[in-house]
Amino acid sequence: DAKTTQPTSMDCAEGRAANLPCNHSTISGNEYVYWYRQIHSQGPQYIIHGLKNNETNEMASLIITEDRKSSTLILPHATLRDTAVYYCIVRAWGGATNKLIFGTGTLLAVQP
Amino acid sequence: NAGVTQTPKFQVLKTGQSMTLQCAQDMNHEYMSWYRQDPGMGLRLIHYSVGAGITDQGEVPNGYNVSRSTTEDFPLRLLSAAPSQTSVYFCASSSTSSGNTIYFGEGSWLTVV
Repeated sequence: DAKTTQPTSMDCAEGRAANLPCNHSTISGNEYVYWYRQIHSQGPQYIIHGLKNNETNEMASLIITEDRKSSTLILPHATLRDTAVYYCIVRAWGGATNKLIFGTGTLLAVQP
Repeated sequence: NAGVTQTPKFQVLKTGQSMTLQCAQDMNHEYMSWYRQDPGMGLRLIHYSVGAGITDQGEVPNGYNVSRSTTEDFPLRLLSAAPSQTSVYFCASSSTSSGNTIYFGEGSWLTVV
């Protein structure tokens, strides 16, 4: 699985959009980009994933660059409850394992 | 639908003791795995299973054993606990029928003194 690079921490004002970047320059053609978050002391929570097209669900939007070497997770209206560590992970679809390779993620602090 | 259930939530062990962390899922997922998370770090894969009767080692398997006798259960055994195994342990499951989304339990906090 390809490695990812994320900023260590970011701040965002409550009600504003939070844009979390991720670099994955060595991503392979069959690897998807996944985003998870971990709120303090809880298990990681799935947010969204994509291959090459932009994706949106009830939680967030995922923007993947055309060359697929980077992506951005967008939380459109951040709330205090969105304060968490956000992990960007790349892995092949249908991999026969739960092998998520976690980095240290981005600590998003939503400020009132 | 309980999802992924881990027990116990908290445990204190003495060095050299053995114990088993339990993990159960009620989603009929074929894939299950165990991760550990040390303070300020991401999760690291210990062992995983792609189905009943099949297990394999992850990134940090030493000191741990697993078995998968049923689809639902995937216990993690600490053979002889060491202070270096003080960590938070997360069990996870997924299935191709669930879009390969991985679901995590709430964690088991283990302290070895």
